[in-house]
Amino acid sequence: GAVVSQHPSWVICKSGTSVKIECRSLDFQATTMFWYRQFPKQSLMLMATSNEGSKATYEQGVEKDKFLINHASLTLSTLTVTSAHPEDSSFYICSARGFGGGQDYFGPGTRLTVT
Amino acid sequence: GENVEQHPSTLSVQEGDSAVIKCTYSDSASNYFPWYKQELGKRPQLIIDIRSNVGEKKDQRIAVTLNKTAKHFSLHITETQPEDSAVYFCAATLGGGADGLTFGKGTHLIIQP
Repeated sequence: GAVVSQHPSWVICKSGTSVKIECRSLDFQATTMFWYRQFPKQSLMLMATSNEGSKATYEQGVEKDKFLINHASLTLSTLTVTSAHPEDSSFYICSARGFGGGQDYFGPGTRLTVT
Repeated sequence: GENVEQHPSTLSVQEGDSAVIKCTYSDSASNYFPWYKQELGKRPQLIIDIRSNVGEKKDQRIAVTLNKTAKHFSLHITETQPEDSAVYFCAATLGGGADGLTFGKGTHLIIQP
């Protein structure tokens, strides 16, 4: 099956710094990538939708200036958490969807801890 | 936007018995309904999905039913095994488009030996 990777798998950063998370589709081209956030013992919440070569679409309540998304190619999307604060600590998961729709393939997630 | 309700939040069954998890959705335009299994700290794994042109789909011990009129869909797991213990999420979206998934809150399934 299709494989999606994320890097890093975990990161600890100090409050006020920025962190970049990469999401790659390894063996297929993804027309659309999605970013989700999952707090402990909660569900996945869609943050934004990323399309190659165009601006990301953010869900209501998600600050686009804080969570910068770049989808530079059909196999790579990045999420940058700017000026991170402890409340941004969470599990960030990306997914990728290929041409023609079909199922979404999830990355392994990135555990972000802001101290 | 879409809203997905999932019940129960916790389900404990004896090994070998069946488990049923139910979800309802609000947007009648949604036409793709996947179910995911997630173990602690891991990515969600697709276990079965169904599209709105089908009423039921089965894959070995797992089945999903969809009632478009009532806007609800259910996951059925038969002959449960200890390795079925995990958190299960239902989701809904307008499949084929650029819409992300709206997830239910999850069901913690516990298989009692």
